[in-house]
Order: sequence, then C-alpha cells, then structure tokens
Amino acid sequence: DTGVSQNPRHKITKRGQNVTFRCDPISEHNRLYWYRQTLGQGPEFLTYFQNEAQLEKSRLLSDRFSAERPKGSFSTLEIQRTEQGDSAMYLCASSLGQRGAEQFFGPGTRLTVL
Amino acid sequence: AQSVTQLGSHVSVSEGALVLLRCNYSSSVPPYLFWYVQYPNQGLQLLLKYTTGATLVKGINGFEAEFKKSETSFHLTKPSAHMSDAAEYFCAVTYPTAGNQFYFGTGTSLTVIP
Repeated sequence: DTGVSQNPRHKITKRGQNVTFRCDPISEHNRLYWYRQTLGQGPEFLTYFQNEAQLEKSRLLSDRFSAERPKGSFSTLEIQRTEQGDSAMYLCASSLGQRGAEQFFGPGTRLTVL
Repeated sequence: AQSVTQLGSHVSVSEGALVLLRCNYSSSVPPYLFWYVQYPNQGLQLLLKYTTGATLVKGINGFEAEFKKSETSFHLTKPSAHMSDAAEYFCAVTYPTAGNQFYFGTGTSLTVIP
C-alpha cells in the first residue's frame, strides 16, 4: 500500500467557483479525517468518517463545506462558492478504529482562491 | 476546552546540540499524545506517540518524548541534532471520547545551524 493519496495536489480557482478534492485512504483503515491547515498554523479538524458514516461534521467551517464517503472507501470534500479565505492546505488522514490509533496523513491539496 | 500549546514557534540549534521542543496540553481527561514532523510540501509523518504504559517513548530518527502528567507536558527531545532534522514539528492530542479527533498545536519550526 502506498499510503494516503490526495488529488489534485494543487488547485487554483476563482472566487465563487465550486471545488472538489478527493482522498484515497489506506485500504484497511475504516476512519477518514479531513483537516485544514493555514500558513503558520497546525491542522484544524473539519470532519471524520467511520466507514461511510459521517460521525462528526459540526466543525466544518460553513454550510459551503461538505464531505462524502459513499462506499466507505475514498472521500470527497467539496467547497461551494469559494472565497479567498478558503485558500489553505486541505489534508486528509486515515486510521484504524481503535482508541489512540495514529493517523496517517496524505500530502494535502493546496487551494488558492483568486 | 481541549488545547495544545507549543512554546516557541521557531527554535534554532547547532548541529550536534540537544533538541528540545515543548508541548503542553490542557485537559483533565487522560490524553493520547503524538508528535508529527512535516517537511516542506509533504504530509505529516508520525515521530512517536503515547497512549498508555511507559511514559518515556522512543520514536523514529532518534527522537523521544516523556509524558509528565503532573506538568501536563509531552516535550520532544533528541540528544544530537542533524541537518536533516530541520522541519516543522507538531504536537497533537486526542482523547478516548473524542472519536480520535486530533487537536494540533501551532507547530515549531526547527532550524539546524551547521
């Protein structure tokens, strides 16, 4: 297994456009997480899935943000009507389900909103 | 509220000198603690973690950390810095009731001076 992968690695978009990012977790991991990282800050938790169920989404930044994991494998994060403040690195991580399990991170998708 | 504090956003050490990166958490609930390293344009890589048991944990690349409950700390150390240690380091905490959601510190950028 090659680890967590994310696509695209970079996305440049104009304000108001919708964007979608994809995350492919490590195959045997049932938990998948999305984080946002801005310059000079640590990753900020957004949402997570256990299999296909989204168990926590109250930390999504606004109703313009949504995430899916339809078959319990890959996940997508969508941002509608992007704003310049959405410019950041979006990180995906996956883990096994036990308490204290380490999270394995992907390389991230860097979003620039013009 | 749970939080993680990393004292010192930038730390510089000479090659061969001791590395000490500080991390404190605030919670009355026993935490699980992690240190991650991030190289430029790469995802986060786990250095080490503490869940239960021995409070001194050893990680990759010669790093180790000690969980001190009385001080609510989990400082990262390495006896002798190497040039390849230059990177951003993040402390993270999660709790048994948090669904494995990680809370990250703001990071410490380590510079190694030849």
